[in-house]
Amino acid sequence: DIQMTQSPSFLSASVGGRVTITCRAGQTISSFLNWYQQKPGKAPNLLIFAASSLLTGVPSRFSGSGSGTDFTLTISNLQSEDFATYYCQQSYSTPYTFGQGTKLEIK
Amino acid sequence: EVQLVESGGGLVKPGGSLRLSCAASDFTFRNYNMNWVRQAPGMWPEWVSSISGSRGDTSYAHSVKGRFTISRDNAKNSLYLQLTSLRAEDTAVYYCARDYDSGGYYYMDVWGKGTTVTVSS
Repeated sequence: DIQMTQSPSFLSASVGGRVTITCRAGQTISSFLNWYQQKPGKAPNLLIFAASSLLTGVPSRFSGSGSGTDFTLTISNLQSEDFATYYCQQSYSTPYTFGQGTKLEIK
Repeated sequence: EVQLVESGGGLVKPGGSLRLSCAASDFTFRNYNMNWVRQAPGMWPEWVSSISGSRGDTSYAHSVKGRFTISRDNAKNSLYLQLTSLRAEDTAVYYCARDYDSGGYYYMDVWGKGTTVTVSS
């Protein structure tokens, strides 16, 4: 199984700020990396697929980069609705695996 | 509106069984691979199983292989997950999610609200 490791687990930031979340795969996964946002009591919501492609309708303040084993999600100009938990997920091979999550909190 | 609605969750004793259903609407169901993903309380999501759109090829997480069975009825636009030999660690919210293929890159673009399975004596 491909292990996905996210860091940090917790992040505190201010509205208007910028944060970067890192995801590392246990083996190369090319660009088969997706990012999801989840709010309490809700299902995960896709933001970015193929490492850097923004899903239609997702604000441009979200961006993703990376390939191989190392990936990042960057959120610029943080808005109040962005405070949530973020997960990376590899779709290179089954079993699909998720990172353990990064909880973004308001400072 | 493209929608997935899960049902069938509940409280079950260890060793028991349950059948989850997922009703799809407003898209051509047979054209999509489908997934079950679960999330235990306070944990990250765990992919459970997938089934292809037309051929019905299946795959499972190691933790459920031999105990859970995924199936679909394309005529009824429905996805199923049969859970047997349930354990306490199967307690979770179970989501169905559509697999979208964008030029070979797969991602889960539509999710249901989930159905809760609790395994406890």
